[in-house]
Amino acid sequence: SAVISQKPSRDICQRGTSLTIQCQVDSQVTMMFWYRQQPGQSLTLIATANQGSEATYESGFVIDKFPISRPNLTFSTLTVSNMSPEDSSIYLCSVDEGDTQYFGPGTRLTVL
Amino acid sequence: GEDVEQSLFLSVREGDSSVINCTYTDSSSTYLYWYKQEPGAGLQLLTYIFSNMDMKQDQRLTVLLNKKDKHLSLRIADTQTGDSAIYFCAEIREGTGKLIFGQGTTLQVKP
Repeated sequence: SAVISQKPSRDICQRGTSLTIQCQVDSQVTMMFWYRQQPGQSLTLIATANQGSEATYESGFVIDKFPISRPNLTFSTLTVSNMSPEDSSIYLCSVDEGDTQYFGPGTRLTVL
Repeated sequence: GEDVEQSLFLSVREGDSSVINCTYTDSSSTYLYWYKQEPGAGLQLLTYIFSNMDMKQDQRLTVLLNKKDKHLSLRIADTQTGDSAIYFCAEIREGTGKLIFGQGTTLQVKP
């Protein structure tokens, strides 16, 4: 299975700032996904990041707030912009590999 | 709708079997998954089942799928304290790669 790493693993940020989260995979994958897990909640898909095209955002998520880059088949970034305390969550990237989807360890973000 | 539903909490004694239930709504789902999340950790894929199967066994884990009732269950035999975690079921929307997750079931294993 794919090995996925994320940086940073956690961060504490001030309101109004932005944070970029990196996701690195040890093999080339076509589809990468970004999910959010709010405290005590389940996971919600933010967007699908495909190499060579713009990310596809789910209802309730917009590019200005969550810009995504996908420069190659092993790497993606998610930026959480102009943060507020409501953005405090775990952000996870995942990759599609055959019949399965594997997740990174997550980035735990706290916004003060 | 897009709902995947799970009961929120299950408590068992060490050595007993645990059964975690899930219902889903999309009959076109091709695969259904069970993920485990330990405190402070990411999601670990436990097992998955293709929609044309009705059972899959993998060591202590047994997945049962009732496609007619859109009901999925995960049975953990000989539950151990290390099995304490949140268990998420998820369905995948055909052609999108998009996973729809249930709310998660917290499994508490008492010694």
